[in-house]
Amino acid sequence: NAGVMQNPRHLVRRRGQEARLRCSPMKGHSHVYWYRQLPEEGLKFMVYLQKENIIDESGMPKERFSAEFPKEGPSILRIQQVVRGDSAAYFCASSLTVTTGINEQYFGPGTRLTVT
Amino acid sequence: TQLLEQSPQFLSIQEGENLTVYCNSSSVFSSLQWYRQEPGEGPVLLVTVVTGGEVKKLKRLTFQFGDARKDSSLHITAAQTGDTGLYLCAGAVNAGNMLTFGGGTRLMVKP
Repeated sequence: NAGVMQNPRHLVRRRGQEARLRCSPMKGHSHVYWYRQLPEEGLKFMVYLQKENIIDESGMPKERFSAEFPKEGPSILRIQQVVRGDSAAYFCASSLTVTTGINEQYFGPGTRLTVT
Repeated sequence: TQLLEQSPQFLSIQEGENLTVYCNSSSVFSSLQWYRQEPGEGPVLLVTVVTGGEVKKLKRLTFQFGDARKDSSLHITAAQTGDTGLYLCAGAVNAGNMLTFGGGTRLMVKP
């Protein structure tokens, strides 16, 4: 009865390196969302994916950030050439179905990215 | 842009007291969720409200969705030290949409 799983839980990268964050949704969930929580700030939406499709990436920075949710395997949030400002907690959430009026999203424990 | 304003930002009370946290917006939401987040962990879903005027109870927690679906409140009766944490409200305009989060209310319940 696993919930949303994210790994790694903590990730340290030097400026200019790449960061790859993984998210496995709850069993049976086909909708995945990524959020970012900057220090002392609230959670901000980044991207919404279904299997093999990006549905809404309006919250994603235009450069260096990309996300995918392949047919098999976890969703990946990729940050290229990381900068100090990318240091944050990145949360993945998943939902079961998209039912009219209801949007229950279940969150993983997050990946805390530190850029040195 | 949908904005959710939570108040108060910080609340420190004694065990046994009652409290209410508010979540307000000028936007209409099709659903609104309340989450609780512990340090170093992800938000944990407490409740979802969908219908205007809806009231849901979860033990000592009472959640209400405003008639116009623009605001919500969380009331805790006889707070316990275990209620300490960050409470977040989050609204969705449509199902399948992103959640817009409030800034959170950091609650401290002292013994």
